[in-house]
Amino acid sequence: GAVVSQHPSWVICKSGTSVKIECRSLDFQATTMFWYRQFPKQSLMLMATSNEGSKATYEQGVEKDKFLINHASLTLSTLTVTSAHPEDSSFYICSAFSGTANNEQFFGPGTRLTVL
Amino acid sequence: GNSVTQMEGPVTLSEEAFLTINCTYTATGYPSLFWYVQYPGEGLQLLLKATKADDKGSNKGFEATYRKETTSFHLEKGSVQVSDSAVYFCALINSGNTGKLIFGQGTTLQVKP
Repeated sequence: GAVVSQHPSWVICKSGTSVKIECRSLDFQATTMFWYRQFPKQSLMLMATSNEGSKATYEQGVEKDKFLINHASLTLSTLTVTSAHPEDSSFYICSAFSGTANNEQFFGPGTRLTVL
Repeated sequence: GNSVTQMEGPVTLSEEAFLTINCTYTATGYPSLFWYVQYPGEGLQLLLKATKADDKGSNKGFEATYRKETTSFHLEKGSVQVSDSAVYFCALINSGNTGKLIFGQGTTLQVKP
């Protein structure tokens, strides 16, 4: 199957700093990438939908100025957590969708963010 | 709207026991249905899928049948192993092909030797 990578796999930062997480589709072009947030022992919460070359669409309750998403190419989307605080600590997962008839999303391995 | 409901966990089984994790859905149109598995500290892996009614998805001994009449997609495995311990998510994509997945809340499976 298709491969999606995330970088970094984990990051620890101080409160007030910004953190950038990259999501790459390695062997296919992703028309759409999704960013999820997952709290311990909970399901995935969709944060935003990112389409190449256009502004991301954020889910209700997600602060667009806090979580900046850039989808610069068909293989790369980035999520920047700006001025991170301890409550932003979470597991962030991206997925890539090629828009084929299979309707399949391919998930990255996730990034564990810990804000001290 | 679209939604997915899974049975609450955790489900604890002994090795070689039979597994069923129930999943029902509400959707407009004809969604595609998926089961994903998440091992501790990792992202999601697609386990199996079905794209139309009566399709059976299968992989690694797991099976699920798309039942339109009961709006269900229950996950089954005849004989679980300790290595199957993980969180299982049922999900759907609506027929609009937007790619937006709707997840169930996840069911934790613990298999004891």
